[in-house]
Amino acid sequence: SQQGEEDPQALSIQEGENATMNCSYKTSINNLQWYRQNSGRGLVHLILIRSNEREKHSGRLRVTLDTSKKSSSLLITASRAADTASYFCATDRRGAGSYQLTFGKGTKLSVIP
Amino acid sequence: EAGVVQSPRYKIIEKKQPVAFWCNPISGHNTLYWYLQNLGQGPELLIRYENEEAVDDSQLPKDRFSAERLKGVDSTLKIQPAELGDSAVYLCASSYLISNEQFFGPGTRLTVL
Repeated sequence: SQQGEEDPQALSIQEGENATMNCSYKTSINNLQWYRQNSGRGLVHLILIRSNEREKHSGRLRVTLDTSKKSSSLLITASRAADTASYFCATDRRGAGSYQLTFGKGTKLSVIP
Repeated sequence: EAGVVQSPRYKIIEKKQPVAFWCNPISGHNTLYWYLQNLGQGPELLIRYENEEAVDDSQLPKDRFSAERLKGVDSTLKIQPAELGDSAVYLCASSYLISNEQFFGPGTRLTVL
């Protein structure tokens, strides 16, 4: 079963604009991760944020986590055509077994050159 | 460093036929995962190995699916017999035992006719 739900399901922006994707989840977590999947490829880990963290940065990526609302957001600044991909949030749920991730359905991002 | 290797990349079979997928994880990674990804969905865990032990196979349909990880390195996932609903991408991932980040292979796209 899917733990996380990304929003929106699809997003289309112009190159240079910022892209924001949201993720909501249902149960308490140890950490939340974001992954990227290019068409026909495997998933690539982008960033991990722990349950006691509120914000984390990595290059052009900014992730926030609000455990009270059970939600997270991924912001990609100054988007590039190469950022076109599907983005998934994945939660490492407490009590679900160490290092077992549950993925959402993903947000499909299209960056138009 | 080589990434997670999967083969074949594509497989087309008729229903009721058997099929097998192979995965070679990143060298030194103790934990290996098999995921199923349907179109437009996130990956769903089928089975997780720690070394050669299957520590979580609760989502593996054991009537037709089987997996093995001999010697704690390579792994094979088998479906026998395949059904139309098994058409999906089968992803393999690996990680260090105490790491949260998973490294994914490119997947095997299975089409059952």
